[in-house]
Amino acid sequence: DQQVKQNSPSLSVQEGRISILNCDYTNSMFDYFLWYKKYPAEGPTFLISISSIKDKNEDGRFTVFLNKSAKHLSLHIVPSQPGDSAVYFCAAKGADKLIFGTGTRLQVFP
Amino acid sequence: NAGVTQTPKFQVLKTGQSMTLQCAQDMNHEYMSWYRQDPGMGLRLIHYSVGAGITDQGEVPNGYNVSRSTTEDFPLRLLSAAPSQTSVYFCASSHRGGEKLFFGSGTQLSVL
Repeated sequence: DQQVKQNSPSLSVQEGRISILNCDYTNSMFDYFLWYKKYPAEGPTFLISISSIKDKNEDGRFTVFLNKSAKHLSLHIVPSQPGDSAVYFCAAKGADKLIFGTGTRLQVFP
Repeated sequence: NAGVTQTPKFQVLKTGQSMTLQCAQDMNHEYMSWYRQDPGMGLRLIHYSVGAGITDQGEVPNGYNVSRSTTEDFPLRLLSAAPSQTSVYFCASSHRGGEKLFFGSGTQLSVL
C-alpha cells in the first residue's frame, strides 16, 4: 500500500511560469516532509523540507506547502527554469524511515 | 569530499548468482539506507541502519541482506539473484534517521 503518492507522473511548464508539484500521504504519524530532485544517471539530491508543525517553508524559488488536515503537500517553483527539468520525489519521514513517492517528471520548455 | 560512494556502477548477473553492492560514506553519518528505483514505483526502502551493529527492514527487504560493522560501510547482499531484482540501487546516509539523506550515484543491476 503506497503511503506517499504523487498522482501526476509528468508535468510540462513554460519557462518563467509557476510549476506546482503535488503529493498526498496516508500516514498521520509522518512528522517531516522533504522534496528531492533527480537528474538522469545521478542520485537524488535534497531540495527543501518542512516540519509537520509548519504549513509553509520557502527557499529562494522553491516553496513547500503542507496541509495536514488534507494530508497533502505541494512544491511551488517560481519562476521555472529549463535547468529545473528533472524528476521530483516527495518523501515523508516516520520512525527512522524515509518513504518516497513515485515521482513527477517536470519538463520546463522555453 | 567523496560523500556517498557506491560500487560497482553497473552489474549483470545470472539468475541464482550472489553478489554484494558496496556503499561507503565519509561524512561520519550514523544513519544509512538502501533504496531501489523501478519505473512507476519510485524509490522503495530495502534496509536501513541507525548505527553500527544495528539494521532493520524497510518496505521491500525480501531477497536482500545487510550488515553494518562500521559507521562508514553498509553493503547490500543479494543472496540468489532473481530477474525481479533488476533495478537501480541507491545507497544514502544522513546524520539522523530519515532526514535529509545524501545519496550515492547508484548501481544499475540487471539479472538475466
